Amino acid sequence: GAGVSQSPRYKVAKRGQDVALRCDPISGHVSLFWYQQALGQGPEFLTYFQNEAQLDKSGLPSDRFFAERPEGSVSTLKIQRTQQEDSAVYLCASSTREAPLYEQYFGPGTRLTVT
Amino acid sequence: AQTVTQSQPEMSVQEAETVTLSCTYDTSESDYYLFWYKQPPSRQMILVIRQEAYKQQNATENRFSVNFQKAAKSFSLKISDSQLGDAAMYFCAYRSGTSGSRLTFGEGTQLTVNP
Repeated sequence: GAGVSQSPRYKVAKRGQDVALRCDPISGHVSLFWYQQALGQGPEFLTYFQNEAQLDKSGLPSDRFFAERPEGSVSTLKIQRTQQEDSAVYLCASSTREAPLYEQYFGPGTRLTVT
Repeated sequence: AQTVTQSQPEMSVQEAETVTLSCTYDTSESDYYLFWYKQPPSRQMILVIRQEAYKQQNATENRFSVNFQKAAKSFSLKISDSQLGDAAMYFCAYRSGTSGSRLTFGEGTQLTVNP
């Protein structure tokens, strides 16, 4: 079966532009997570969905970051008025309660570079 | 808040030898889970091994095993018979068993395997 997919894989944006990053979770996975990974660092939690409900958005760094999952499957992370500090890899992960310890399966990430 | 610390930014090992990666964590919770993830240069995060905190027995997965010291809040990863394909960034991660499903990652250890 297909794993978690993300698009685009690479995105270059000029400072001030808006970007949208897409995540397609594994089919049937109820839980979906977004993480931000700065260069040379570990991923940091951004937000969590259970189906279409955004249950935790405490990791979003500013109100320029917005995530949605309207039909409980595909999710979009939107960043408005991008800044240079937004440059990072954005990882999406999905999970199901049937997986041992609710293991999270990660996508390949989207590398965002803000110039 | 929980924290995860990996004090070895880089490690190297000769092919076929054994290497141990260190991880310590801080938490006031009694119910939690610990993980080691591998992130090759392609950036797809892959689960290596998992450990439930309530289990005293250390987890093993083929050539990978952990030394879980709950009182010391230590969770090291041992890789036996190292292979070239083991070269990657390794992340230690914590997940609460009660207060949500996010993963908290350490800073990572870059493992080089020398032929």
